Order: sequence, then structure tokens, then C-alpha cells
Amino acid sequence: AQKVTQAQTEISVVEKEDVTLDCVYETRDTTYYLFWYKQPPSGELVFLIRRNSFDEQNEISGRYSWNFQKSTSSFNFTITASQVVDSAVYFCALSEDTTSGTYKYIFGTGTRLKVLA
Amino acid sequence: GAVVSQHPSRVICKSGTSVKIECRSLDFQATTMFWYRQFPKQSLMLMATSNEGSKATYEQGVEKDKFLINHASLTLSTLTVTSAHPEDSSFYICSATETGVNTEAFFGQGTRLTVV
Repeated sequence: AQKVTQAQTEISVVEKEDVTLDCVYETRDTTYYLFWYKQPPSGELVFLIRRNSFDEQNEISGRYSWNFQKSTSSFNFTITASQVVDSAVYFCALSEDTTSGTYKYIFGTGTRLKVLA
Repeated sequence: GAVVSQHPSRVICKSGTSVKIECRSLDFQATTMFWYRQFPKQSLMLMATSNEGSKATYEQGVEKDKFLINHASLTLSTLTVTSAHPEDSSFYICSATETGVNTEAFFGQGTRLTVV
């Protein structure tokens, strides 16, 4: 069975601190996709990144970076120099590879990040 | 990126009435759409997979007679909460991927349903 674990329920940091959100996944598929989404208080899901199982390169986008370690089934997300606007709930998700190109997501329980001014 | 529009964004209804939520892909065709439910401060749980032109596939524990799904066209799926009760109050969100295109899923803005 597929499963996504985000062990950190809530994290509070002071502005400008770096923070890492952990994500561990389980799957028997050899081909799969991993995602991170941000959910601000308004509720919509904001797409941050998609990574396929064959691409273990780490990625950096501005203050955001992602560390994909297939050996430990982890896909961690780091925010550098956090800002108050980063306060939100962050979800890690795993999806099955389907030939039709449709994505059924398995979401982690989310990590609520609070960045204090 | 592609846009998925969900309507309404908020709805309050009386117990016992039915509520319809629409999910539209605005600039692409979606053979399959997904409906999720999110309780306060909890994760998103997949309710059902909506397939254009055929019956929806429901996840275990989801009452199909309670949550009616219709996917009549390649750009529209609807979720109807029938005979709503206060315990149905939740945040409902849909997602869609463009048919035949290998990209991430696009999510609607969500619908906050309150049953009083």
C-alpha cells in the first residue's frame, strides 16, 4: 500500500530562520511521482514541485530546495530565510504512475508552518 | 498552468437539503477528475475518481448514494451531497489532469460546505 508520512505536525520558526519539512513515503511502484503543495488559510492548493522516481537530483527554486533520497524514501523540503508569508500548511503527496496520465494522489497529513515576525 | 475552476467556493445549507458542487477544467480536457474531502486541520482524503461517461469509482467507506458524482463532459464533473447533515460539513476539493498529458494534477479552489 502507498503511504506518505509527515511526522512534523506543526513547526514554528522565527523569520529568517531556515526550516526543513520532512516527508517519508512508501510504495511498491518503481515509477511514481512525488509532490509538495502549499495550502494557505484560504484553502487552495498551490503547486510547488513534482519529482519523478527516476530523477534524484536535488532542486533549488529561489528560497526553496528539495532533497530526494530514494535510498531512504524521503523527499524533504527546505525553506531558506523563512518569511511570514511562508506560513501555511504544506503537504507532501505521492501518486501512482498511470498510463492514461491521470493522477490519484496520496497525501501526507501535512505540516503546519508558522513563521513568526 | 492549466486552470480548474470549482464553484461555489462557500455554501451554507440546511440539514436535509442537497448541494451540488461543480468542477470545471477551463482550458483543457480531463477524462478523469478526482474529488477529495478535508476536515479541519486534517489531510486531504480521496473520496472518488470521476470518469467521463461512466460511473465514478468510490474509495472504501465513501457512500456513493450520499455523494453523487456525474462527469457528463470532458470539462465538467459535479459532486452532489444529498440529504446533507452537519457531519458532512467539510472542505471539498477537486483535481484534474489533462487527458494524455503527463503533468501534475491541477486543483480547484475548493468548496467550504457548512450544513446547519
